[in-house]
Amino acid sequence: QITLKESGPTLVKPTQTLTLTCTFSGFSLSTSGVGVGWIRQPPGKAVEWLAVIYWNDNKRYSPSLKSRLTITKDTSKNQVVLTMTNMDPVDSATYYCAHRRGQTDTGGAFDYWGQGTLVTVSS
Amino acid sequence: QSVLTQPPSVSGAPGQRVTISCTGSDSNTGAGYDVHWYQHLPGTAPKLLIYGNNRPSGVPDRFSGSKSGTSSSLAITGLQAEDEADYYCQSYDLSLSGYVFGSGTKVTVL
Repeated sequence: QITLKESGPTLVKPTQTLTLTCTFSGFSLSTSGVGVGWIRQPPGKAVEWLAVIYWNDNKRYSPSLKSRLTITKDTSKNQVVLTMTNMDPVDSATYYCAHRRGQTDTGGAFDYWGQGTLVTVSS
Repeated sequence: QSVLTQPPSVSGAPGQRVTISCTGSDSNTGAGYDVHWYQHLPGTAPKLLIYGNNRPSGVPDRFSGSKSGTSSSLAITGLQAEDEADYYCQSYDLSLSGYVFGSGTKVTVL
């Protein structure tokens, strides 16, 4: 059974760096084809893909946020960490991590999601 | 502005059939990448509804997806009150080297 859970601060100040951790079980990020992604949804807005990391350590980032994002994995701990620098109130959103279903390091879909964590950016 | 275009809303009476369109471009759906569909109920995580042309285990066969070139659609037949939710299409974009989601469509059951 695949499960994922996000953890991190619920409140960050503008200009601070956000660090979110995704702890998962039921699969290994060292298995060929596996990926873990981050997706967010600001209140009242559409979902937005942020980043993904694959079993081979390849990474993809949203072009509009690439300069602010870093995604890493710790295979031994079954964790994926996303950092986002220079947070702004417009970054307030529910942040989800999700298991990427696919066979290569492109394409595929997100078939298992965490419950999400609401992050508010405010001074 | 989303790379994949969806209508903001669709509605139908219980039992009716509704379809949601998703229009992409030559760098994503037109490049051969599959389109996937998610159902998002308030306060919950999005749920994968359609993976390419397939339904994951547990998804009712009232939901079906299709794709032709850069155009895709999700059909819901026998609409039920519990289908009232937001629906998103998703694909992969070669030019952006990343995943793209549609703008979302709210389905209302009249």
